[in-house]
Amino acid sequence: GDSVTQMEGPVTLSEEAFLTINCTYTATGYPSLFWYVQYPGEGLQLLLKATKADDKGSNKGFEATYRKETTSFHLEKGSVQVSDSAVYFCALSRGSNYKLTFGKGTLLTVNP
Amino acid sequence: EADIYQTPRYLVIGTGKKITLECSQTMGHDKMYWYQQDPGMELHLIHYSYGVNSTEKGDLSSESTVSRIRTEHFPLTLESARPSHTSQYLCASSGTGRVEAFFGQGTRLTVV
Repeated sequence: GDSVTQMEGPVTLSEEAFLTINCTYTATGYPSLFWYVQYPGEGLQLLLKATKADDKGSNKGFEATYRKETTSFHLEKGSVQVSDSAVYFCALSRGSNYKLTFGKGTLLTVNP
Repeated sequence: EADIYQTPRYLVIGTGKKITLECSQTMGHDKMYWYQQDPGMELHLIHYSYGVNSTEKGDLSSESTVSRIRTEHFPLTLESARPSHTSQYLCASSGTGRVEAFFGQGTRLTVV
């Protein structure tokens, strides 16, 4: 079945540090890939997505590139802020008739 | 911006009580989902619906039940709440031909 594996946290960084959260997936066909973010006490928000190989999703300074050859979708940000402290979930979907499959989430804490 | 609403945001209730968690969306989405989020952050799909009068159990067995009488409304009911039901419950929806899902802000349920 489909699965998503993302790096375990927690991840603690200082403000302005570089962020990478690794995500790899297993799925048949050509899934769409997503990063969701969950701020404390809130639901999940879609951060970015990519629907085909080599696509780069980007939003709010975050980027992730769909790498078919390595089945990866790593999240990166060049300079994190305290306000980026949240839980980040990598997810995939094989199409509009399929459910989302989530990774277990990575807690990021950014210190001033 | 997604328009999906969950009420209540927080609920503390005694053991044995019947509760209904409300979820409504104004986007006309055909697909709706309920996730249970454990303290370790992991998301578990407990129910989903692909349209009116269609409901299915998700990947995690749950004592809760759902109904989908109207497109915009997907309530979750617990007939007799127990402390083991204490959790965060997240509702989500997705539109026809869309692969991403949009989430409500969640209901944090505590059963004492």
